Amino acid sequence: DTGVSQNPRHKITKRGQNVTFRCDPISEHNRLYWYRQTLGQGPEFLTYFQNEAQLEKSRLLSDRFSAERPKGSFSTLEIQRTEQGDSAMYLCASSLAQGTARNTIYFGEGSWLTVV
Amino acid sequence: DAKTTQPPSMDCAEGRAANLPCNHSTISGNEYVYWYRQIHSQGPQYIIHGLKNNETNEMASLIITEDRKSSTLILPHATLRDTAVYYCIVRVLGGSNYKLTFGKGTLLTVNP
Repeated sequence: DTGVSQNPRHKITKRGQNVTFRCDPISEHNRLYWYRQTLGQGPEFLTYFQNEAQLEKSRLLSDRFSAERPKGSFSTLEIQRTEQGDSAMYLCASSLAQGTARNTIYFGEGSWLTVV
Repeated sequence: DAKTTQPPSMDCAEGRAANLPCNHSTISGNEYVYWYRQIHSQGPQYIIHGLKNNETNEMASLIITEDRKSSTLILPHATLRDTAVYYCIVRVLGGSNYKLTFGKGTLLTVNP
């Protein structure tokens, strides 16, 4: 079990640029989640995949955000035309889909985005 | 998912037990109680979960009241590295039980 891996860990970008984050889930985990966390707040759900299918997107996920999970393994989260309000930590998590609440969700270390 | 209520902050002396309370008075019969913690600048770390029986693992113990309306996370011998924000979350069983909804949690500060 190598854990959930996220890259890059830190990204500083200029407003208006595009950024992409990658997440490698725990192997054999077929569910993958993206969360966003700003200072002083708990993580907020953005979207989730079961295998390669994106099954839910939060209202927080504006049109500038897109997430993919081609082949049901790693996932990418792209933010286009970044704004200063996008500055946050982006968390990826994964779990098994066992149909019960025993499918514990495990988080990665997060990717910090600073938009200047 | 039901909401939870936690104190915003707590202090604990190093080596003593830390008891973190959580109220979840509207919990349903098919909802589990989960605890996560988040050390500064890191991702949330799973600690423990339970339905109605008390649970213990290498990290902590979880005590759930008989009516399931509240629970307590116990760190038996707190260390400085246990300083973190602790989140109590209830999560529905079955159906669309795909996500965790975080509140603001309790900031536990372990003092030397």
